[in-house]
Amino acid sequence: GESVGLHLPTLSVQEGDNSIINCAYSNSASDYFIWYKQESGKGPQFIIDIRSNMDKRQGQRVTVLLNKTVKHLSLQIAATQPGDSAVYFCAERVAGGYNKLIFGAGTRLAVHP
Amino acid sequence: DTAVSQTPKYLVTQMGNDKSIKCEQNLGHDTMYWYKQDSKKFLKIMFSYNNKELIINETVPNRFSPKSPDKAHLNLHINSLELGDSAVYFCASSPSQGGMTEAFFGQGTRLTVV
Repeated sequence: GESVGLHLPTLSVQEGDNSIINCAYSNSASDYFIWYKQESGKGPQFIIDIRSNMDKRQGQRVTVLLNKTVKHLSLQIAATQPGDSAVYFCAERVAGGYNKLIFGAGTRLAVHP
Repeated sequence: DTAVSQTPKYLVTQMGNDKSIKCEQNLGHDTMYWYKQDSKKFLKIMFSYNNKELIINETVPNRFSPKSPDKAHLNLHINSLELGDSAVYFCASSPSQGGMTEAFFGQGTRLTVV
């Protein structure tokens, strides 16, 4: 079956610390990966993406790492802030799959002052 | 400006009723989607349309019928609602097939069937 990642665990961090959220994907044919952030009562919001021919991509305070050998994706958030508290999803797109995204169950990030 | 907007935001209805959720995007995207998010936050694709043509139809009961009058709109009609249909339904859109094209999501419609 199709599966990406997590079963909604919670990651608790102190404000200012770095956060790392991990995700395992299952489909070797996936060519594109996205991290989304979902705040309470809102829709998923794009954070950062990475193509399968890359192993690292950096944004503002966020970095995505891709390890295709073990089919693992991670999201690193530097200097985590209270506004980063949300549920984070990784999603994979299977090549030739009409841009269909397969989502994992998400990780809840709780940032404490 | 709201990029992907869906209405209503909340919908409470009785079992057996028929209801519709509307979605519009003003991003000029060719592809639109419906996703369902269950109580455990799991997001799963239901349908996708590209230029008004159905291209993805996951294993969804045929009580669910999407309709795309034009490429900026994708509505979802649900017949004979059941308790298990209670969920948050998200509409999304993306620019095109292929490339690095993330999907943009609406705010969701929380459907509660009682």
